[in-house]
Formats: sequence, structure tokens, C-alpha cells
Amino acid sequence: EAGVAQSPRYKIIEKRQSVAFWCNPISGHATLYWYQQILGQGPKLLIQFQNNGVVDDSQLPKDRFSAERLKGVDSTLKIQPAKLEDSAVYLCASSRQRSSYNEQFFGPGTRLTVL
Amino acid sequence: QKEVEQDPGPLSVPEGAIVSLNCTYSNSAFQYFMWYRQYSRKGPELLMYTYSSGNKEDGRFTAQVDKSSKYISLFIRDSQPSDSATYLCAMTLYGQNFVFGPGTRLSVLP
Repeated sequence: EAGVAQSPRYKIIEKRQSVAFWCNPISGHATLYWYQQILGQGPKLLIQFQNNGVVDDSQLPKDRFSAERLKGVDSTLKIQPAKLEDSAVYLCASSRQRSSYNEQFFGPGTRLTVL
Repeated sequence: QKEVEQDPGPLSVPEGAIVSLNCTYSNSAFQYFMWYRQYSRKGPELLMYTYSSGNKEDGRFTAQVDKSSKYISLFIRDSQPSDSATYLCAMTLYGQNFVFGPGTRLSVLP
């Protein structure tokens, strides 16, 4: 079973620029998550999708971050414009379905540096 | 008060030692509790999960949850150098509102 794929693996941009990250979840997984992990901290959930609907986006800074999951499969996370404090690893995870508990499988992450 | 707290370490132990990792949390509504292991420059991977209070054992790993104290633990027996990683506790309320702790960095010295 192929794992969660993410691209790019690394991205360096200047503040106020835009950036987009892509995630391809494990085939058949209905739930997709985007996390932000700042160096030395645990992952912080930004948004959770169930198929192509949003379950939880309470911690997504909606003035600059947006995410979509077209056709309930791949997802993109966009930052526009980026700030210095957005420097972090952006992790995508997927799970089979949203029930009481489902194991999340994480991708390798995209490391973003904002200069 | 942060929602989930963990001692960041680093924690260094000799090979074969018993390791105790702990988290405290503030939201009594959490029902599912998980431990993830994260190697450097990799995504987290699930080690164990437990529902509500109690113990769960899987090989060298034992997870404990005490909801009355809002305290969870992970014990690693016969620790190996390959266990060197960051250990993240996490919790959820019925499949959403996932919250992770900041992680404890563990080094097992040969």
C-alpha cells in the first residue's frame, strides 16, 4: 500500500509571496488532515476533510490560508501572502474514515522557509 | 495553561533501560489517547492508542491513561537505540479536534 505523498518536499519563499502544497492520500482514505509543525512543537491541526467536505477548520488562519480537496481525493493547501511565522513543516495525513477513532497515516511533510 | 503538556527533554537513557514518557492535558472531554513516534525529518507514525482510562500493552510498549488525573504515560521496556526519536502524545474527541503535545526527544545510548 503506497503511503501519503506530498510535494514539494522543500520550499523557500520570501514574505508576502504565495505558496501551495499538494497532498495525495492513501487510496480509499476518506479523511484528510493538514497539520502545521513548527520546529520544536507538536503538529497543530489546520483543517480536516471528510471526503470533500470540511469537518474542522477552527485553527486555520483563514485570512491567508486556504485548502481544498477536489473530488474527495487530492488536496492543496495555499498560503497567500506568507509571513515569517509560517516557516514550518506542513504535514498531510489521511485515515480510512472519521469515526470515533481512526489511525492517521502521515506523509513526509513539506518544509517551508519564509525569508 | 496549554491544552497538552509534555516534558520536551531531551531524555537520554542507556540501552536496555525502561523509559517513562508522560503527558498532562486540560480538556476532560478527550476520549481517545495516542502515542506517535517521529524520527527526524519524517512524519509521525502511530505507536499505540487507548480509549478512556486503562492500560494497553503491545510488545515492549505499554500505554496508560488516567482520566481522573488527566495524565497519560508511555512505557518502553528494554529500550533500543532504534527507539531514539521524538515521542508525541495526542488526543481526540470522537474523531475530530485532534491535539498533539509538543513531544519529548528520546536518545537511547548503545
